[in-house]
Amino acid sequence: AQKITQTQPGMFVQEKEAVTLDCTYDTSDQSYGLFWYKQPSSGEMIFLIYQGSYDEQNATEGRYSLNFQKARKSANLVISASQLGDSAMYFCAMREGRGDYKLSFGAGTTVTVRA
Amino acid sequence: SAVISQKPSRDICQRGTSLTIQCQVDSQVTMMFWYRQQPGQSLTLIATANQGSEATYESGFVIDKFPISRPNLTFSTLTVSNMSPEDSSIYLCSVGSGAYEQYFGPGTRLTVT
Repeated sequence: AQKITQTQPGMFVQEKEAVTLDCTYDTSDQSYGLFWYKQPSSGEMIFLIYQGSYDEQNATEGRYSLNFQKARKSANLVISASQLGDSAMYFCAMREGRGDYKLSFGAGTTVTVRA
Repeated sequence: SAVISQKPSRDICQRGTSLTIQCQVDSQVTMMFWYRQQPGQSLTLIATANQGSEATYESGFVIDKFPISRPNLTFSTLTVSNMSPEDSSIYLCSVGSGAYEQYFGPGTRLTVT
């Protein structure tokens, strides 16, 4: 079974608008972590934001925020005030349990920002 | 955050040959991982590189095909052996220095002809 599901293969957003990227996850562990990464065409993986399963507040990092709904097992990424440089592939990933830091990745969502 | 470098950044290799990819971190880290990203796909974990012991491989990946070394806490290598065109991918190493810290190297873009 898929541990991480990203249902939006591609999205278009107008410059300066906000965009929400969906991510749902499946785990039976009580302790887990959720990550979002950005992958531009260069191929590097850029860490954006992290949410721990015990964190009560939604994580924020600059223009990135994570809408964490634990009961629904969703961890959506919100990018505010989109910029042309935000055009990239975005991956949601999960770490399960304690002490094992390997990640499971979703299929990714391609974001294209239009001027 | 850890600074991670990988060599080579890209290579074009002939089928049947092997390529060794290096991953260097600027600080000591407990966990190092190797991922593969096939064209247009997501990342798949190949193995966890354990310092002082054999790597732990994920289902579908074997040591004969992807031997890994981890001689110390800042360095690891991944070898892609007896390559075929299906091995054409981006290979990424990552390090985990804490539960909420996972950083990736710039990747090695491999093309097998």
